[in-house]
Amino acid sequence: KAGVTQTPRYLIKTRGQQVTLSCSPISGHRSVSWYQQTPGQGLQFLFEYFSETQRNKGNFPGRFSGRQFSNSRSEMNVSTLELGDSALYLCASSSWTGRTEAFFGQGTRLTVV
Amino acid sequence: AQTVTQSQPEMSVQEAETVTLSCTYDTSESDYYLFWYKQPPSRQMILVIRQEAYKQQNATENRFSVNFQKAAKSFSLKISDSQLGDAAMYFCAYRNRDDKIIFGKGTRLHILP
Repeated sequence: KAGVTQTPRYLIKTRGQQVTLSCSPISGHRSVSWYQQTPGQGLQFLFEYFSETQRNKGNFPGRFSGRQFSNSRSEMNVSTLELGDSALYLCASSSWTGRTEAFFGQGTRLTVV
Repeated sequence: AQTVTQSQPEMSVQEAETVTLSCTYDTSESDYYLFWYKQPPSRQMILVIRQEAYKQQNATENRFSVNFQKAAKSFSLKISDSQLGDAAMYFCAYRNRDDKIIFGKGTRLHILP
């Protein structure tokens, strides 16, 4: 079974630009969550999608948004990039039953210059 | 709000020895899941072990075992017969009723040959 796939692996963007990250969950998994990892703040929850609906949202500004498609693939968008958005963005997928383990992708390393 | 605390930012252990990583958490919920994840330099977050709060028996996965003390809200990870490949950042994590995963700040584990 293929794991969670995140693309691209690396991105360099300029302040003010926008970026879209993609996540393909494990086949059959319907829940996709996004996390931001930085040295200072650690791992922080961004949002979670299940069956194309956002179920939970973390404490991030509205510049961070996401969506999920009917095939469970998810995208995360960050608009008006700031230097502080530089981070590793991790996607995780879970089966629908919830409160089970999440399986993570390798992440997208975003650098804002 | 739930919190997860890992009080050891960094630890070292001799190869083949045993090491215990500490984790405490705070919650008012009675039903939840706890996890230990490993993040090697490759950045891939790998599930090491999971524990359901309703189960009294401590989870075990090969050389990895936990000491789950629900009343004390403690969830430590024991690694037996440490191997060089165990070197990584270890995160303790809690999954709440909203399916949000809350991570500790992590413990960096060094294996000394």
